[in-house]
Amino acid sequence: DAKTTQPNSMESNEEEPVHLPCNHSTISGTDYIHWYRQLPSQGPEYVIHGLTSNVNNRMASLAIAEDRKSSTLILHRATLRDAAVYYCILRDAQGGSEKLVFGKGTKLTVNP
Amino acid sequence: EPEVTQTPSHQVTQMGQEVILRCVPISNHLYFYWYRQILGQKVEFLVSFYNNEISEKSEIFDDQFSVERPDGSNFTLKIRSTKLEDSAMYFCASSEELQGINQPQHFGDGTRLSIL
Repeated sequence: DAKTTQPNSMESNEEEPVHLPCNHSTISGTDYIHWYRQLPSQGPEYVIHGLTSNVNNRMASLAIAEDRKSSTLILHRATLRDAAVYYCILRDAQGGSEKLVFGKGTKLTVNP
Repeated sequence: EPEVTQTPSHQVTQMGQEVILRCVPISNHLYFYWYRQILGQKVEFLVSFYNNEISEKSEIFDDQFSVERPDGSNFTLKIRSTKLEDSAMYFCASSEELQGINQPQHFGDGTRLSIL
């Protein structure tokens, strides 16, 4: 599986935007970029995914660099409930594997 | 919104005993998974299950582990003879079949397994 690199931790203030970066310089053409998050004492939760174009949903936006070697998860207005570990995961559409490979992720702290 | 439910939330078992962790996936989902997370470590894939058989398993999923879908709603993980190192959070997940790789996996809140 292609590797992703994320900062260990980030901090934000409530109601401010948060930009969570992910580097994936060895990404292949068939890798989709997925983001999950894990709130304290809960299972992982799907956030968003994309291939080349930027994506928006009710939870977040995903900005993908033109060369696809990096991406950024954007939370437009952080709330206390967004405090979680955020995981950037590559999934190969041609790899035939259904498993998710989690790294250490970025622990986001949201200050009131 | 439909969700994956897991029981029990916490299981305490003596080393060497068998344990069964139970999951009810989302009803129209066809792919099922087990993951585990040892305290302070990464979430690790154990096994995926589709069409009543294992489709993929990790090195962790050795002969001590088995999975079963005994009826139309439950999905279970059995550990035959538990070891201290099996202590972890175990997460069940499920996903729809359509479009495969890009279907989100929906996770339950886990069962904390403590081996004494």
